[in-house]
Amino acid sequence: GNSVTQMEGPVTLSEEAFLTINCTYTATGYPSLFWYVQYPGEGLQLLLKATKADDKGSNKGFEATYRKETTSFHLEKGSVQVSDSAVYFCALSDNYGQNFVFGPGTRLSVLP
Amino acid sequence: EPEVTQTPSHQVTQMGQEVILRCVPISNHLYFYWYRQILGQKVEFLVSFYNNEISEKSEIFDDQFSVERPDGSNFTLKIRSTKLEDSAMYFCASRGQGWVGYTFGSGTRLTVV
Repeated sequence: GNSVTQMEGPVTLSEEAFLTINCTYTATGYPSLFWYVQYPGEGLQLLLKATKADDKGSNKGFEATYRKETTSFHLEKGSVQVSDSAVYFCALSDNYGQNFVFGPGTRLSVLP
Repeated sequence: EPEVTQTPSHQVTQMGQEVILRCVPISNHLYFYWYRQILGQKVEFLVSFYNNEISEKSEIFDDQFSVERPDGSNFTLKIRSTKLEDSAMYFCASRGQGWVGYTFGSGTRLTVV
């Protein structure tokens, strides 16, 4: 079945540092890939998505590129802020938008 | 931007009691889902619902759980006799026809005492 693996956290960075959170997946066919963010005490928010190979999703300074050759969808941000402190979930769905699977989540803490 | 609305945001209930978690999906969406997240753990699939019936469910979704779309707007998750281990954040999600992505609600935190 489909699965998503993320780097283990927690990740602690200083403000303005570069962020990478690794995500790799296992899936048949042509999945769509997502990053969701969960701020403390809140629900899941879609951060960005990519629906086909080589697509780049971007939002709020975050980017991730759908790499089919390495089955990866790493999340990056050039300069993190304290307000980016949250749990980040990589996720995928199959090419029919079904079988949505979340990774375990990576907690990011950004220190001032 | 359209939202999925969940109520209540937090519910405390005694063990053995029935709870109903409510969701209002996006109005033109056709597929509905419940997920849960035990504190500090991963987000887990519970059930999917389409055309007024369950299309898929996980092992977690046992006989204590049921879902219903009682009218044209609400989508509910009922837990018949809550257990301590049902304490979690429950997320509702919906999506439309074709691939437009899942939209998640902000969740209901259920605490069973």
